[in-house]
Order: sequence, then structure tokens, then C-alpha cells
Amino acid sequence: GESVGLHLPTLSVQEGDNSIINCAYSNSASDYFIWYKQESGKGPQFIIDIRSNMDKRQGQRVTVLLNKTVKHLSLQIAATQPGDSAVYFCAENWAGTASKLTFGTGTRLQVTL
Amino acid sequence: DGGITQSPKYLFRKEGQNVTLSCEQNLNHDAMYWYRQDPGQGLRLIYYSQIVNDFQKGDIAEGYSVSREKKESFPLTVTSAQKNPTAFYLCASSQSKTGELFFGEGSRLTVL
Repeated sequence: GESVGLHLPTLSVQEGDNSIINCAYSNSASDYFIWYKQESGKGPQFIIDIRSNMDKRQGQRVTVLLNKTVKHLSLQIAATQPGDSAVYFCAENWAGTASKLTFGTGTRLQVTL
Repeated sequence: DGGITQSPKYLFRKEGQNVTLSCEQNLNHDAMYWYRQDPGQGLRLIYYSQIVNDFQKGDIAEGYSVSREKKESFPLTVTSAQKNPTAFYLCASSQSKTGELFFGEGSRLTVL
């Protein structure tokens, strides 16, 4: 696979457990946040997004929580499956245009059987 | 199926050579982007184009060039002026300004 993520923090969870991946963002003016999933050797895939006027948003098996007070974003994955193994990273947007997205370095999620 | 196609997936280059990475999209998106991904770092923006025949430098444009002659295509040339070109390159496109990017599968460039 690609060498992306060689030095990333790693979260190991057992299959069936819930996973929580955290992200600290940098700009208090950011008003749009995205979580991406990147499998080895592939491009990032959009998982879920949230705007700053919300503090929680749910998708299928995923929930994103936003705490603007401490500039913290988390991604919760329910009933983690082996196919969830990947690198997850957040992105923040403070200027309303995709060219101003700032990406986090990511967390590697390893799902053990 | 609609999507973004990058080629080649793997590319090897000798020092001093220019190489061009291809990016084609059939999503009818106006905006296209090139990012560089290095271990332990977030994606960094190289160039972007919001409309045909127009493009802007991103955060790390030095040593790279692009063109946008067609809406579907946004090739990236890594020139010999790029001091550390070995990296994973990602092309993306978006329709909305707010930032939902659709990524290609990436091109891995290795300088020998």
C-alpha cells in the first residue's frame, strides 16, 4: 500500500466495538468540517460533514460531534467492522471555498477480529 | 460511473526530468484541485482551477505547473525545479464552493 500514514497515531478496536476518532482543528473561524476515510493505496472518500451551526450530525453508523468551545471534532463509528480499517482525517473550511480546506494528519484505525 | 481518473498510478522519474500526471473527471464539476500527500502531513494544495482556462497557485506551487484547457481535464506537471517530488499526488474536483471534494485514486511518483 501507499506510505501515507507511516507515523500516524493508531487506534485499535475490536470488531463490533464502537470507535471514536478525534481531531483538533486550528481556526476558530472555521464553519464547515468534513471527515474523510482513506484506505491504503486509494484516494480519500467523503464520510460525513457538519456545519458550525450544529453540534451533532448522524449518518449511517457514523456520528460527528463538534465542540466549538475547544475546537474539537470527533467521529464515532458504531459497531466497527473490518472494512472500516483505514486512515481517517478531518478537514476544516474557514473561507467558504474548497481551496481553503485545511486537512488534519489523520488517525489510523485498525479493526481486530 | 461518474468519477475522477488519475494516471498513471505509479510513476518513476529520474532526477532532472519533467513528468505529467493526468486527471480526468466526468462529474461535470467546475473546480479541480491537485494535492500532495506526504507521510505524517495533511494534504497540501498545489494548484486549483475553478473554471476552464483559469487556475491559481495553492500553498506549495513551486516546481509544479498545470493547465485547464478542458473542463474535464487538469493535468499536473512536476518539473525538475521541484526539489522533493517523491510523494503521493491526489486530484480532486468539487461542484460546491463549500468544500465537498471528490478525490481520484492518486498517483505515486518516485524519483530515482
